[in-house]
Amino acid sequence: EPEVTQTPSHQVTQMGQEVILRCVPISNHLYFYWYRQILGQKVEFLVSFYNNEISEKSEIFDDQFSVERPDGSNFTLKIRSTKLEDSAMYFCASSGVGGSYEQYFGPGTRLTVT
Amino acid sequence: AQSVTQLDSQVPVFEEAPVELRCNYSSSVSVYLFWYVQYPNQGLQLLLKYLSGSTLVKGINGFEAEFNKSQTSFHLRKPSVHISDTAEYFCAVSEEGGDKIIFGKGTRLHILP
Repeated sequence: EPEVTQTPSHQVTQMGQEVILRCVPISNHLYFYWYRQILGQKVEFLVSFYNNEISEKSEIFDDQFSVERPDGSNFTLKIRSTKLEDSAMYFCASSGVGGSYEQYFGPGTRLTVT
Repeated sequence: AQSVTQLDSQVPVFEEAPVELRCNYSSSVSVYLFWYVQYPNQGLQLLLKYLSGSTLVKGINGFEAEFNKSQTSFHLRKPSVHISDTAEYFCAVSEEGGDKIIFGKGTRLHILP
């Protein structure tokens, strides 16, 4: 069964460093999403992406964040200058038809900022 | 804006006993409702979803949920739990036709032998 994959599974970085989290969505999907879950808190929507553009973003997704589909298979989330409060589990999701009712989630990348 | 409340952060239940995980939502528009499960060290897996139609929704692993519009609830139930059901369960909502999923804080289901 096709699945969303994410690399790395765990990333440790120092405050102020740039970090790129990578996702490989399901191959024929066109809609992509990032969510994050700070330890002990709820999963929060960050951004949705379709047709090489951001469709919607949350207030969390400020200028420090960016997303890109650099090629036909990867979808990345970049944090320009990490802060301690960026430590979280980051989930990528993809959908073939768009909308909330058919989003498939990856296993997540745990980001630890020290 | 939508929001989700899962009142129980943790639910202990004996193996083979029934379980209900409670979820209430608020929204001023029509919604889709979801339950996701997160097994230890894994990602989010969709258990079931309500989009429209029958208010009783059946999902994977023997789980079901009932949409109650008047009570704005979407409680998850299973008649007999197994040790393998140990996981965190997230109730979620989205605006009908919308993109963004809003999650609750999660309920940890702890199965007692």
